[in-house]
Amino acid sequence: DTEVTQTPKHLVMGMTNKKSLKCEQHMGHRAMYWYKQKAKKPPELMFVYSYEKLSINESVPSRFSPECPNSSLLNLHLHALQPEDSALYLCASSQPPGQGTSYEQYFGPGTRLTVT
Amino acid sequence: KQEVTQIPAALSVPEGENLVLNCSFTDSAIYNLQWFRQDPGKGLTSLLLIQSSQREQTSGRLNASLDKSSGRSTLYIAASQPGDSATYLCASRPGFSGGYNKLIFGAGTRLAVHP
Repeated sequence: DTEVTQTPKHLVMGMTNKKSLKCEQHMGHRAMYWYKQKAKKPPELMFVYSYEKLSINESVPSRFSPECPNSSLLNLHLHALQPEDSALYLCASSQPPGQGTSYEQYFGPGTRLTVT
Repeated sequence: KQEVTQIPAALSVPEGENLVLNCSFTDSAIYNLQWFRQDPGKGLTSLLLIQSSQREQTSGRLNASLDKSSGRSTLYIAASQPGDSATYLCASRPGFSGGYNKLIFGAGTRLAVHP
């Protein structure tokens, strides 16, 4: 099973709302990622969790709050977003660090977020 | 700082043609390079991953090559089909410890294969 699932598929929220995006994988991967992708642009890395600990934060505004409650789940909590935060949010996972690891990333289908 | 460039930005071809998509990167100290396909509004599908020690990888009608010394990778698609229409992204993975989790993406090549 090489599947990464994301819910919801679409989300519309106001600037005062609080919502969460969810990502799940059952491949035994211990690295999980959040990316943001604007139209016709490549994905931009936001956060990386390695062994359930935040290892990379690409200077993302605090209105985005990641959480990794266990090795299979990754959440992205959203609060007080701006219209420019509207984008496709992608989750990915990869093998844990170790000798011979390729770090090949497997992506989920994404959540299309619209902030009104 | 690693930069990844993909040429051409867009490509429209008739069905059946053999295609070459190009990817270049500025820092040859990569761990590996990954090619992805993305359909509009969808996630990324991993097509091929080439380790820095490899010269090429093949999967079905796809063949990816890597020339680290010249900072180039190519994705060859044989006998293109309309179902191959998508955006193709290449991404390099830095070769230094702590960088392995970071993919540096090119802007992609948008491919349209018409019947």
